[in-house]
Amino acid sequence: DTGVSQDPRHKITKRGQNVTFRCDPISEHNRLYWYRQTLGQGPEFLTYFQNEAQLEKSRLLSDRFSAERPKGSFSTLEIQRTEQGDSAMYLCASSSPNTQYFGPGTRLTVL
Amino acid sequence: QQPVQSPQAVILREGEDAVINCSSSKALYSVHWYRQKHGEAPVFLMILLKGGEQKGHDKISASFNEKKQQSSLYLTASQLSYSGTYFCGTAGNNNDMRFGAGTRLTVKP
Repeated sequence: DTGVSQDPRHKITKRGQNVTFRCDPISEHNRLYWYRQTLGQGPEFLTYFQNEAQLEKSRLLSDRFSAERPKGSFSTLEIQRTEQGDSAMYLCASSSPNTQYFGPGTRLTVL
Repeated sequence: QQPVQSPQAVILREGEDAVINCSSSKALYSVHWYRQKHGEAPVFLMILLKGGEQKGHDKISASFNEKKQQSSLYLTASQLSYSGTYFCGTAGNNNDMRFGAGTRLTVKP
């Protein structure tokens, strides 16, 4: 257990539905990252927060994806109008200047 | 911007050594190394910051050559528990993290 929690751990949804994932980072870490990982690939960067500020968002991310980190604590990642290609493991990572710990991930399956 | 890892896969016998390389086309501020086992999240091994330092953790160590924008992970006297996929993550000054495609390491008895 790295101290980073994600909820839910698994989500099955139908194409076209909206889904929201939550990440609770390690409390003293001010940076939070979201990644997407598919089988056999490395984590793919989605977005990054320093405290409550979203500092970077991948150009690969369509307008259907949005992330927030109100008050610089937990973060949410929302996917609107899900597509089958969105099926993947969504990983959150909590980071300090010298460490970065991943949460257990949320596995999304879009039918 | 994604770093390139080599080799893609390596098979070792217990007790043998291995080197995994990671190179980037852009200037780096830090390099992270992770190990991921099947069905689990990546586990943090170590971070190397700009400065060319070398770090070690038990029998796993790494080096970072910022001028060449390269890092290497050294696994000595490998154990069965070392099996997994190793990823390097690289970041510039703005902390934009990018991961390589991974190196699959298999350690056999």
